[in-house]
This record gives sequence, C-alpha cells and structure tokens, in this order.
Amino acid sequence: AQSVSQHNHHVILSEAASLELGCNYSYGGTVNLFWYVQYPGQHLQLLLKYFSGDPLVKGIKGFEAEFIKSKFSFNLRKPSVQWSDTAEYFCAVIAMNTGFQKLVFGTGTRLLVSP
Amino acid sequence: DAGVTQSPTHLIKTRGQQVTLRCSPKSGHDTVSWYQQALGQGPQFIFQYYEEEERQRGNFPDRFSGHQFPNYSSELNVNALLLGDSALYLCASSKVRTGIQNQPQHFGDGTRLSIL
Repeated sequence: AQSVSQHNHHVILSEAASLELGCNYSYGGTVNLFWYVQYPGQHLQLLLKYFSGDPLVKGIKGFEAEFIKSKFSFNLRKPSVQWSDTAEYFCAVIAMNTGFQKLVFGTGTRLLVSP
Repeated sequence: DAGVTQSPTHLIKTRGQQVTLRCSPKSGHDTVSWYQQALGQGPQFIFQYYEEEERQRGNFPDRFSGHQFPNYSSELNVNALLLGDSALYLCASSKVRTGIQNQPQHFGDGTRLSIL
C-alpha cells in the first residue's frame, strides 16, 4: 500500500526565512503528487501538483516543489515565508495504477511564521 | 461558481447512533470522494463515487456506506457509531476526463462529527 511521510510535524520560522518541508512516498510505480494547504478555519486548498514533465513545479503564492524520483521525494520550498503562510501543509500522492483518484495523505506539517 | 459544500458543519451523536453527512460537488464535477481526518492526522480515504457507483474503497468497515445521486451529490452514512468515529469528514470532488490524468480534487470545509 502507498504511504506518505512528512518528516516535520511542527515548523516555526521568522518572516523572510526560507522554508523546506520534506515529503517522501512509498510506491514504485508512476505517481501524481500534490501539496495541499489548510489555512486556519479554511478548507484544504491545492498548492501545487506534479503529473509529469519538469520535476520542478511552481504553485501559488511563491511555493515550488521538486520531484526526485530516485529519492521518492517531493519537497516543498519557498525562499521567503510570510506571516500569512501560517497553515498546515499536506503532501499527498495518487498511485497511477489504482484506477480512480484515491489520494493518500501524509500526517501534515504545521507551519507557524512569526512576524 | 460554488465550490464543494458540505452539511451539516457540526454534529454531535452518541455511541450506537447512525449519521448521514451530505456533499454537493463543485459545479461541473462528477466524482465525489470522502475522507476522514482524525485530530492530528492527515485525511484518510474512505471511498469514491462516480456514475452513482462506489468505485474505490479504503480500509473502512461496512458501517461506512455511501450513495451518489444523479445530480452528482453524495451522502456518507455511518451506522453503529463508535467513539473512534469522532473526526472531521471531508468531501472532495473532481472531474473525470477520458485520456487526461487525475484532476486535482477540490475539498469542502468538512463536517465535524463528535461522538459522546
């Protein structure tokens, strides 16, 4: 069965610091990869996605993620965080041979950005 | 353009009772998935409905059942509620398009279910 590991459960940064959140998945076949964000009191929103092609994908609000197939990783990065980036971040994967769109999520990383 | 809407937003039940949660997908979407998010955890896939049929199912007991209606809306039913069923239940919708890879799922705000 597929699984997703997010290494940091809680991250605290100051504004303007750089961010990198780790995500590793376990599945040997073709995958679609996603990062979702949940701002306080709001629903899960898609931050960015990787389907194929360029392994460096750019999302909304200055976020990007790099797919490294050999490491089964899809780490999320942002060069300079803002207070408004305070949220919970979820990495998720869809294994492409499983038919329909079953998202497997990691446990999430809570990011707190202090002003 | 309405996003995914779920009702109710909060619900309190006691052990042994039954509950029905409802979801209306985003306009233009035809596939509905349900997830359970326990406190401090990521969402766990329950099942997915397309063309009014359950297409995939996660590791949840038969107490969890669902339905999809011709207008693509969906219900999640849970029977014989247990304390461990307390969680946020999320509905997500997407559009299946032949020949195109998985389309991103759009999530609703969820229904917070508390079992006493």
